Amino acid sequence: GESVGLHLPTLSVQEGDNSIINCAYSNSASDYFIWYKQESGKGPQFIIDIRSNMDKRQGQRVTVLLNKTVKHLSLQIAATQPGDSAVYFCAENSGGSNYKLTFGKGTLLTVNP
Amino acid sequence: KAGVTQTPRYLIKTRGQQVTLSCSPISGHRSVSWYQQTPGQGLQFLFEYFSETQRNKGNFPGRFSGRQFSNSRSEMNVSTLELGDSALYLCASSPQQGNYEQYFGPGTRLTVT
Repeated sequence: GESVGLHLPTLSVQEGDNSIINCAYSNSASDYFIWYKQESGKGPQFIIDIRSNMDKRQGQRVTVLLNKTVKHLSLQIAATQPGDSAVYFCAENSGGSNYKLTFGKGTLLTVNP
Repeated sequence: KAGVTQTPRYLIKTRGQQVTLSCSPISGHRSVSWYQQTPGQGLQFLFEYFSETQRNKGNFPGRFSGRQFSNSRSEMNVSTLELGDSALYLCASSPQQGNYEQYFGPGTRLTVT
């Protein structure tokens, strides 16, 4: 069935280091992927997205890489800051025009000062 | 511009009761989606409403229902509550149907005892 999973449930990094959060997806027909950040007590916040016709997209301090061959998605955060500490979710749209997001379980990122 | 608001923020109900949750989208947004978030299952899509019509539905029993009003505000209802319905219920809005950049509210924390 459709599923999105994460390799690592927790990730701890030092302030200033780069962080990489990974995600595997199972539906090769998925055409759109999103990364969300969720801080404690808040709803998920959109970070960056990428369509399946791209393999890389950059934002402010963040980069998303898509490898369709192995169905793998990653989020890279440059110069990680304490404010980046949160749970990060990847999500895929496997419904095509019948838009429906499937979310991964999430990775907890902890940034140590 | 005000964000997505959800009321109430916290709710405690007893098994067998029913509950109604409310969501006000960002002004101008016409699509509202609902999600259930639990530690075990993560974020799961419930349904999406656009122009007062349910456009998409997740894999939840018929006890979960919703509606959208002409001002785009949305409500979701859960009847005959079960212990397993305890979760954070998140609402997300976007300008158009299928617009993937969704903006989430803070959620309603429902506890069923």
